[in-house]
Amino acid sequence: GENVEQHPSTLSVQEGDSAVIKCTYSDSASNYFPWYKQELGKRPQLIIDIRSNVGEKKDQRIAVTLNKTAKHFSLHITETQPEDSAVYFCAASSPTQGAQKLVFGQGTRLTINP
Amino acid sequence: GAGVSQSPSNKVTEKGKDVELRCDPISGHTALYWYRQRLGQGLEFLIYFQGNSAPDKSGLPSDRFSAERTGESVSTLTIQRTQQEDSAVYLCASSPRGVPTYEQYFGPGTRLTVT
Repeated sequence: GENVEQHPSTLSVQEGDSAVIKCTYSDSASNYFPWYKQELGKRPQLIIDIRSNVGEKKDQRIAVTLNKTAKHFSLHITETQPEDSAVYFCAASSPTQGAQKLVFGQGTRLTINP
Repeated sequence: GAGVSQSPSNKVTEKGKDVELRCDPISGHTALYWYRQRLGQGLEFLIYFQGNSAPDKSGLPSDRFSAERTGESVSTLTIQRTQQEDSAVYLCASSPRGVPTYEQYFGPGTRLTVT
């Protein structure tokens, strides 16, 4: 089955700097890669996703890149702000029996220092 | 509109008791997922439903865990003879349809504590 590894487990950056979180996956059939943000005590919320027919996607300060050959994808946050502090999870999925079963990484705790 | 809701929000139970956790998906969402999140850990897939059938039960940790879904509506996750290692937040998510719509919308979770 699919296995997703996420690094680093913790990341601390100065406000205004960039943050990069990386994930690798094992199943070459995976075709959907979402990123979720989870603030303390709250539910995970989708912040950006990418599908396997695209190499890069950007939404304001957030971007995701995908390298299908190497089976890795990354989240890039530019001009970080204190409200970006949270735990970020990557996930990988392939369609199976009419649904998307997500396999999550272990998470990265991002701290933005003012 | 209303998002995914779960009840109870918190549940404290004694070891050996049975518990039922409820999930109400967004109306019209055909796919429903259950995940477990232990403290400081990632989300662990348990089971998903497409309508009221469960094609993939591979994530259920043991036969003490079971789940049902009524039509394309509410789902119940049951844990029998709870153990301390069952303590976690149980998250439910739903999506409009399996494929090609991919986004899963999460509920607030049920925090289960087994004493």
